[in-house]
Amino acid sequence: AQKVTQAQTEISVVEKEDVTLDCVYETRDTTYYLFWYKQPPSGELVFLIRRNSFDEQNEISGRYSWNFQKSTSSFNFTITASQVVDSAVYFCALYDYKLSFGAGTTVTVRA
Amino acid sequence: DGGITQSPKYLFRKEGQNVTLSCEQNLNHDAMYWYRQDPGQGLRLIYYSQIVNDFQKGDIAEGYSVSREKKESFPLTVTSAQKNPTAFYLCASSTGQGAKSGEKLFFGSGTQLSVL
Repeated sequence: AQKVTQAQTEISVVEKEDVTLDCVYETRDTTYYLFWYKQPPSGELVFLIRRNSFDEQNEISGRYSWNFQKSTSSFNFTITASQVVDSAVYFCALYDYKLSFGAGTTVTVRA
Repeated sequence: DGGITQSPKYLFRKEGQNVTLSCEQNLNHDAMYWYRQDPGQGLRLIYYSQIVNDFQKGDIAEGYSVSREKKESFPLTVTSAQKNPTAFYLCASSTGQGAKSGEKLFFGSGTQLSVL
């Protein structure tokens, strides 16, 4: 069974639209970490955010925001007013006893 | 600038040939990792090393080998035993504890390996 599920394979939007990426995770541990990474066309993954299981405070950082809900085991990510430079593959990841990545969501922002 | 350098960017392997992917970091990180990325799949851990001269198998180590003779270097060899080596390979590093303590990973820009 997938530990991290990113149900959206691809999302295509026009610039300035908002984009929300879904991430659902599965773990039996009470202590764990959640991550979002961005993989631009250049290939390297870039860290965006982490949350530990005891911190459900949602966060806004510029055009990015994250919604962590333990009750639904979800850690969703929203890009507000998307830009072409946001085009990338976005990975959600979970660390409980090992680091598990979701399959990724490809976001394409068209000008 | 500090970072992780992977080379080459593209690599081609012939049947029965071993190939080595290079990964060098100047971040002074203790831990280094190799991941394999296939289309439509998440990253899968091949090997990791938390200290020089020591490394452990990840989830898909069969057909691969590594060495960690220097802190800054963690080369990956794809052996002829790996029957499906075509993939994108990513090297990463972290200060030591890695994701276990909520640490983020720093990634290189990857090597695309293809079979001729």
